[in-house]
Amino acid sequence: DTEVTQTPKHLVMGMTNKKSLKCEQHMGHRAMYWYKQKAKKPPELMFVYSYEKLSINESVPSRFSPECPNSSLLNLHLHALQPEDSALYLCASSQAAGTSTDTQYFGPGTRLTVL
Amino acid sequence: AQKVTQAQTEISVVEKEDVTLDCVYETRDTTYYLFWYKQPPSGELVFLIRRNSFDEQNEISGRYSWNFQKSTSSFNFTITASQVVDSAVYFCVSGGYNKLIFGAGTRLAVHP
Repeated sequence: DTEVTQTPKHLVMGMTNKKSLKCEQHMGHRAMYWYKQKAKKPPELMFVYSYEKLSINESVPSRFSPECPNSSLLNLHLHALQPEDSALYLCASSQAAGTSTDTQYFGPGTRLTVL
Repeated sequence: AQKVTQAQTEISVVEKEDVTLDCVYETRDTTYYLFWYKQPPSGELVFLIRRNSFDEQNEISGRYSWNFQKSTSSFNFTITASQVVDSAVYFCVSGGYNKLIFGAGTRLAVHP
């Protein structure tokens, strides 16, 4: 079963709110990813976790804070976001860590709107 | 540097037509991987195929087929007898050392 789940599906938040996005996979994958996708653009990599350790941070502003509590879970904590942060946030996982030659399986995404 | 070019921004076809989505890649690596993903309006990226640079065999899966040609650095995707459910954005992707390189995507609209 190649399933990655994400909650919530939709999120509306104000610029002073604190919220979290959640991602879960039960495929035993060792790498997990956060992507941001603006309308009519391809996904952009934000963070990569390999074996529960942050391995890549693509110079993402500190108002986005990732967390990997265990090998199946990935969170993205949001604080003091800006309206331009409104986007589709996609989580992905892959069997192998430390490489992007392995297939990444994506979740359905969270559509975030910042007012 | 790696780069993936999908020159077709949008394609519109009528149901049952065949359609080919073009993908041209650039890489200096001798070993590399290429992918196609489908993104329907719901937003989820659906994995379609993964090929490595050592395997130039064409692949067919139902109505889908892929033509990989290293000589022209192309990895084109053909949908035979298109259906309305094929309407989506399709991304050609290159797998690099530590991140995926996405093409800009081709939006396919299949009309009844």
